[in-house]
Amino acid sequence: QKEVEQDPGPLSVPEGAIVSLNCTYSNSAFQYFMWYRQYSRKGPELLMYTYSSGNKEDGRFTAQVDKSSKYISLFIRDSQPSDSATYLCAVSTSGTYKYIFGTGTRLKVLA
Amino acid sequence: DVKVTQSSRYLVKRTGEKVFLECVQDMDHENMFWYRQDPGLGLRLIYFSYDVKMKEKGDIPEGYSVSREKKERFSLILESASTNQTSMYLCASQEGAGGYTSTDTQYFGPGTRLTVL
Repeated sequence: QKEVEQDPGPLSVPEGAIVSLNCTYSNSAFQYFMWYRQYSRKGPELLMYTYSSGNKEDGRFTAQVDKSSKYISLFIRDSQPSDSATYLCAVSTSGTYKYIFGTGTRLKVLA
Repeated sequence: DVKVTQSSRYLVKRTGEKVFLECVQDMDHENMFWYRQDPGLGLRLIYFSYDVKMKEKGDIPEGYSVSREKKERFSLILESASTNQTSMYLCASQEGAGGYTSTDTQYFGPGTRLTVL
């Protein structure tokens, strides 16, 4: 079993839709949770960074962590064609440099 | 803003060549990383450095070495390139706390797409 599982997609939605992207993880020691966005042929850029459980909102993006279920989500409201990219989740334990990445979900927002 | 730059966006090399991939960060970060990214496998850590001249093997170090002579620069070396090293190579930088501990996030460069023929 992989430490972090992520559906590869592709996920296609119409412009304006609410998008839900998800990851599951296996190790309850993970306490840091990140979402990266990666456009085609570019490096990942950080979208959201959360510690422990709960929600964090930044503009149209909301990150949600449910440690009891070992489930993390990224919600995108009012999705735009410019949101079309691959979204990577990443997890880390406390006090370590090591990130475990999901394989990424490819999102297409159709105009 | 943190800036991580990589020397080449695209690189084509022949089997057996020695290949150097360079990465520079401008934020005085202690930690630097080299990953490779392959479809269906995600990002895999090749090497990590937490200080000048200090390095640690990641999950897939075989066939690679690294060099960190200056804090801002981290180089990945393929001693003898092989076709299975064709991949996207990503460098990342992170503020460290004197070693392994860091609560800061990792910032990535634009990547180098390496093709080995």
